[in-house]
Amino acid sequence: DTAVSQTPKYLVTQMGNDKSIKCEQNLGHDTMYWYKQDSKKFLKIMFSYNNKELIINETVPNRFSPKSPDKAHLNLHINSLELGDSAVYFCASSPRDSGGENIQYFGAGTRLSVL
Amino acid sequence: GENVEQHPSTLSVQEGDSAVIKCTYSDSASNYFPWYKQELGKGPQLIIDIRSNVGEKKDQRIAVTLNKTAKHFSLHITETQPEDSAVYFCAAVPNTGFQKLVFGTGTRLLVSP
Repeated sequence: DTAVSQTPKYLVTQMGNDKSIKCEQNLGHDTMYWYKQDSKKFLKIMFSYNNKELIINETVPNRFSPKSPDKAHLNLHINSLELGDSAVYFCASSPRDSGGENIQYFGAGTRLSVL
Repeated sequence: GENVEQHPSTLSVQEGDSAVIKCTYSDSASNYFPWYKQELGKGPQLIIDIRSNVGEKKDQRIAVTLNKTAKHFSLHITETQPEDSAVYFCAAVPNTGFQKLVFGTGTRLLVSP
């Protein structure tokens, strides 16, 4: 039944390591997103893909590399992790734009802690 | 680009009271304004939205109003209940041609029994 699922839910790792977060949606949506939520709860978009094509890249360091093998999956790979990368990362998806609306469905989040 | 400001950052009310959260946006071409509720340990979930051609929309105990001239919109929750306690985010869709939400900074609502 899960619409947007992310794995893992928690990720604890050392500085300098490389890690990946996976996201899958079973809603048949065309567009998927990655957001970062910092400790103050501020939600900021990182990337957006539409039908496997990158359409939004919000000046995220190139240590972050999204990959979309198909339109139901959008994974996030992070190289050389830094302390400042600690946050909750949310995946989301939305259907094709219908007259300006943009209803997004979010996963439960992945809490990344870099030690 | 679009900038969305949200106030207050925290709001404490007694059960049964009303709660109002306000947002302003900068891009006059933005035309869609959703509100999301984020419960502890969960992702944000859409609770209500409004299009720019509508001034007010209501769904049971929640309502949203939009003033396009002043570029502000508000969320109203009546007869608050403890389960309304959460972080609420307003958002706007800027006129960039891409599907993108710009979120406000969030309001932590606490409803005390």
